[in-house]
Amino acid sequence: DTEVTQTPKHLVMGMTNKKSLKCEQHMGHRAMYWYKQKAKKPPELMFVYSYEKLSINESVPSRFSPECPNSSLLNLHLHALQPEDSALYLCASSQDSASGDTQYFGPGTRLTVL
Amino acid sequence: RKEVEQDPGPFNVPEGATVAFNCTYSNSASQSFFWYRQDCRKEPKLLMSVYSSGNEDGRFTAQLNRASQYISLLIRDSKLSDSATYLCAVNILTGGGNKLTFGTGTQLKVEL
Repeated sequence: DTEVTQTPKHLVMGMTNKKSLKCEQHMGHRAMYWYKQKAKKPPELMFVYSYEKLSINESVPSRFSPECPNSSLLNLHLHALQPEDSALYLCASSQDSASGDTQYFGPGTRLTVL
Repeated sequence: RKEVEQDPGPFNVPEGATVAFNCTYSNSASQSFFWYRQDCRKEPKLLMSVYSSGNEDGRFTAQLNRASQYISLLIRDSKLSDSATYLCAVNILTGGGNKLTFGTGTQLKVEL
């Protein structure tokens, strides 16, 4: 089962709201990732968690705050976002982050910031 | 220079045609290579991993040329259902672990 689930599917929020995106995998993977994808662009890496520790932060603004409560779950907390943050947010997982193995993507959360 | 480059297309081909996509990468420390397929408003789905020896899965053949730093994807006997964006992706080892970097994607439209 190569399934990564994400909730919610769609999210509309105002610039003063606080919301969270959730991601879950039950493949025993120890690396999890957040990507941001704008229309007609490729996914861009935001964060990498390896064995529940943040290992890569691609200079993402602090209004995005990742959290990895356990090896199966990954959250992305959102606060004071800007309209230009509207995008598809994709979660992915892989066996680990050092071996370069395949990443499997969730269906994404389509975020609109008003 | 972008780390991973692809021709964005679109490639409009008739059903049954053979179509080839190429992708170049700039970092010689790149470790692993993939082709993903992405349908409109969906997530990328793994199509194939890419190896130097070449690998084939049905109508799809992928090849890696490390010396020239490019990867390729060949689709034979294309079907209408092959219409999608094809993203090449390269894993580059950094101090924090592997980073997967995508090309811009090549859009394929297969027509009757």
